[in-house]
Amino acid sequence: AQKVTQAQTEISVVEKEDVTLDCVYETRDTTYYLFWYKQPPSGELVFLIRRNSFDEQNEISGRYSWNFQKSTSSFNFTITASQVVDSAVYFCAWNTGNQFYFGTGTSLTVIP
Amino acid sequence: DGGITQSPKYLFRKEGQNVTLSCEQNLNHDAMYWYRQDPGQGLRLIYYSQIVNDFQKGDIAEGYSVSREKKESFPLTVTSAQKNPTAFYLCASSMTSGHYSYEQYFGPGTRLTVT
Repeated sequence: AQKVTQAQTEISVVEKEDVTLDCVYETRDTTYYLFWYKQPPSGELVFLIRRNSFDEQNEISGRYSWNFQKSTSSFNFTITASQVVDSAVYFCAWNTGNQFYFGTGTSLTVIP
Repeated sequence: DGGITQSPKYLFRKEGQNVTLSCEQNLNHDAMYWYRQDPGQGLRLIYYSQIVNDFQKGDIAEGYSVSREKKESFPLTVTSAQKNPTAFYLCASSMTSGHYSYEQYFGPGTRLTVT
C-alpha cells in the first residue's frame, strides 16, 4: 500500500536554529513524484518542491534544502536559520498517476 | 492573476441541508481535486477529475457529489447524507502529462460548519 509518514507531529525551534522535517514513504512503484507543501495559518497549501523518483540530487533554494534518498525511502526537508514566518504546517506528499497521498503533516513553530 | 478561487471562505448550514462549494481555476489545468481536512489531520481525497465530464471517487466520497461540466469549474456538493460535514475543504488543480499529474495548486479553502 502507498503511504507517507511524517512521524514528527509538532516541532518548536528558536529563531535562527536549523530544523529538519522528516518524510518517509512506502511504494513498490519505480516511477513516482514526491512533494512538499507549506500550510500557513491562513489555510491555503503552498507548493514548495517536486522531485521525481529518478532524480536523487539534493536541492537547495535559499534557506530551504531537500534530501531525497531512495535507499531509505526518505525525502527530508531542512530549513536553515529558521524565521518566525516559517511557522506553519508542512506536508509531504507522494504521487504516481492520478492520485496524491499526503502525510499527516508536521506543525512547525519558530519562537522569536 | 492565475490561480484557484473558492467561495465562500466561511459557510454555515443547518443539518439536513445540501450545500455546494464553488471551485474555479484559470490555470488551464486538466485535473481538479477536492480534499477534506479535519483539525490536526492530513488531507483526504473526496473526488478528482482528469477531464471534463469525467470524475472518480476518492477515499471518502460517501455523502458528496461533484460535476465537471467545464474545464475551469469543479463544484462540490455536500449532501445531507454526509454524517459529519463540518470541516475545511480544499480544492486543487494540476497539469497532467499522459498518466501522470504534476504538482497541485490549491485554493484558499472553504470552512464549512454544519449545526
